[in-house]
Amino acid sequence: QLVLTQSPSASASLGASVKLTCTLSSGHNNYAIAWHQQQPEKGPRYLMKLNSDGSHIKGDGIPDRFSGSSSGAERYLTISSLQSEDEADYYCQTWGTDIWVFGGGTKLTVL
Amino acid sequence: QVQLVESGGGMVKPGGSLRLSCAASGFTFSDYYMSWIRQAPGKGLEWLSYISTSGSTIYYADSVKGRFTISRDNAKNSLYLQMNSLRAEDTAVYYCARDLISSGFYSWGQGTLVTVSS
Repeated sequence: QLVLTQSPSASASLGASVKLTCTLSSGHNNYAIAWHQQQPEKGPRYLMKLNSDGSHIKGDGIPDRFSGSSSGAERYLTISSLQSEDEADYYCQTWGTDIWVFGGGTKLTVL
Repeated sequence: QVQLVESGGGMVKPGGSLRLSCAASGFTFSDYYMSWIRQAPGKGLEWLSYISTSGSTIYYADSVKGRFTISRDNAKNSLYLQMNSLRAEDTAVYYCARDLISSGFYSWGQGTLVTVSS
C-alpha cells in the first residue's frame, strides 16, 4: 500500500535552515514525490517534484531557498534562510497507476 | 497566468446533492489531466478523483466512489464534481488541481467550502 509519512510538526528560527522529511512506504523507494506549501487560510502551492535520485524541478517562482534531496525511502525538503512567510503546512504527495496520495503534512513554525 | 476558480460550494443537508465547478484559464485546459482534492477542517489533503484529458479515464478514492462523479467540458474550460448522498464527513474545502504528468498537482484553485449539516 502506497503511504507517505510526515512528522506532524517542526520548528526553526528565523534565518536558520530546516529539513522536512517524507517517508515512502516499503517497496516504494523509487517513487518520485511532489512537495506543496499551504500558508494559513490559503490554497496549496506547488513547490517541486523530487525524484528518487535527489534531482528536483521547482515550480514557477519558487525561491532558491527551497531545495530537495532523497535517500532511500526518504524525501527531504530543505528551506534555508527561513523567513516568517515560510511558516506553513508542508505536504508531500505521490502517485500510482490509479491513486494519488498525500502525506499527513508537517506544520512548520518559524521562531 | 494560470487560474483555477472553484464555485458551487455551500451548505447542504445530509443526503443532499451539490455540484462543484472549476473554471480554468491561462492554459490549454484540454491538454491537462485534472483532479479534485479536499481538506476537512483542521485536517490534511485528501485526493478524491482524477479525469484524463478526454474524460475517457476516471478514478475515484474509495471514500467517494459511487457517490461523486467527476466530469469536464473542454469547450467550456471547466471541470465539475457532482456530489450525491452527502454526509457530515464530506464537510471540507474542495480544490481542483491541474495535474502535470508524473510531476504532481502543479496548479491549485483557492477552494470552495462545502458544509454538510442538518
